[in-house]
Amino acid sequence: DAGVTQSPTHLIKTRGQHVTLRCSPISGHKSVSWYQQVLGQGPQFIFQYYEKEERGRGNFPDRFSARQFPNYSSELNVNALLLGDSALYLCASSLSAGSYGYTFGSGTRLTVV
Amino acid sequence: GQNIDQPTEMTATEGAIVQINCTYQTSGFNGLFWYQQHAGEAPTFLSYNVLDGLEEKGRFSSFLSRSKGYSYLLLKELQMKDSASYLCAAYGPNQAGTALIFGKGTTLSVSS
Repeated sequence: DAGVTQSPTHLIKTRGQHVTLRCSPISGHKSVSWYQQVLGQGPQFIFQYYEKEERGRGNFPDRFSARQFPNYSSELNVNALLLGDSALYLCASSLSAGSYGYTFGSGTRLTVV
Repeated sequence: GQNIDQPTEMTATEGAIVQINCTYQTSGFNGLFWYQQHAGEAPTFLSYNVLDGLEEKGRFSSFLSRSKGYSYLLLKELQMKDSASYLCAAYGPNQAGTALIFGKGTTLSVSS
């Protein structure tokens, strides 16, 4: 069975550019959460989506946005990239918004230069 | 506010026992997770404590005291492959929604 898949695995972008990261949840999971993990830190919550609706949002600027599609896959978009956005972006899927059974993907390593 | 504290680094030798402590202060709390994360990889689930007490799972055990806002992860019979970062995370409703609030992680180095 496929786990949580994220693409791309690595990405290098220039300051000011825009980036789109993608996540496919485990089959049957309807909720997707996004986390940002800066080197040497724990993951920080960005968004949770369930049934295509935003169910939670962490303390991130409006440059960060996300959406969930009818097949429950999700995209995270970041505009006007800053050097500080360099991080590992993790996607986690769960059965529902209130389910604590999270499974994490391997992440997308974003480097902003 | 939300605050999760755990030691930054710990070292131990193969075959030993190590205890990684975690204290938490969160506005809403349902339970406490422990994850293992090897460098460059995804966090993998180790344990989830909802009630006070000790949960044992093979070489790994996790303890929770809700009244003290305290948890620990106990690793027995350490192996080299246990060298990793161990993340403590509180789960529950907060102003951001229902989400995991992670500590900064404890890097455990196991030597022979």
